[in-house]
Amino acid sequence: EAGVTQSPTHLIKTRGQQATLRCSPISGHTSVYWYQQALGLGLQFLLWYDEGEERNRGNFPPRFSGRQFPNYSSELNVNALELEDSALYLCASRGPERADTQYFGPGTRLTVL
Amino acid sequence: ELKVEQNPLFLSMQEGKNYTIYCNYSTTSDRLYWYRQDPGKSLESLFVLLSNGAVKQEGRLMASLDTKARLSTLHITAAVHDLSATYFCAVSRRSNDYKLSFGAGTTVTVRA
Repeated sequence: EAGVTQSPTHLIKTRGQQATLRCSPISGHTSVYWYQQALGLGLQFLLWYDEGEERNRGNFPPRFSGRQFPNYSSELNVNALELEDSALYLCASRGPERADTQYFGPGTRLTVL
Repeated sequence: ELKVEQNPLFLSMQEGKNYTIYCNYSTTSDRLYWYRQDPGKSLESLFVLLSNGAVKQEGRLMASLDTKARLSTLHITAAVHDLSATYFCAVSRRSNDYKLSFGAGTTVTVRA
């Protein structure tokens, strides 16, 4: 069974640009979580999508947004990129059989120059 | 807001010796997780602890949970080089949709 996949692996952008990150959950999983792992800030919860809707968001500005598609894949968009947005962005999915367990993807390394 | 504190943040281990990583959390949680992360890689789930007194073991790693003290420990027995990684603990609550609140991580280096 395929795990959580994310694309791209690496993304290089300049300040002010927009970045789009993608995540495909494990088959059968309807929940997708996004986390940011920035240097010196640790792992922080960004967004949670379930059944196509945003259910919860962390303490991040509105320029961090996303969506979940009918096939439960998800997209994270970061607008007006700032240098401090450089981080590893991790996606995790959760399914009904183990509601308390998130399975993490390999991450997208975003570098803002 | 759930706060999670890990210590130590850095741990230099000698092969063959035993060590413990501590994880304290601020408020009642339903689940306590331990993850491993290798440099530049994603998170690998090690343990999920649910109830007071829970103990789980996998190879040289053993995790335990004391919900009354809001404390979990990750014990490493007879450290080997392969255990070099960063270890995170995290907590979640069902009432908070199981979103994870992470500790800062403990970077472990095992030397010969």
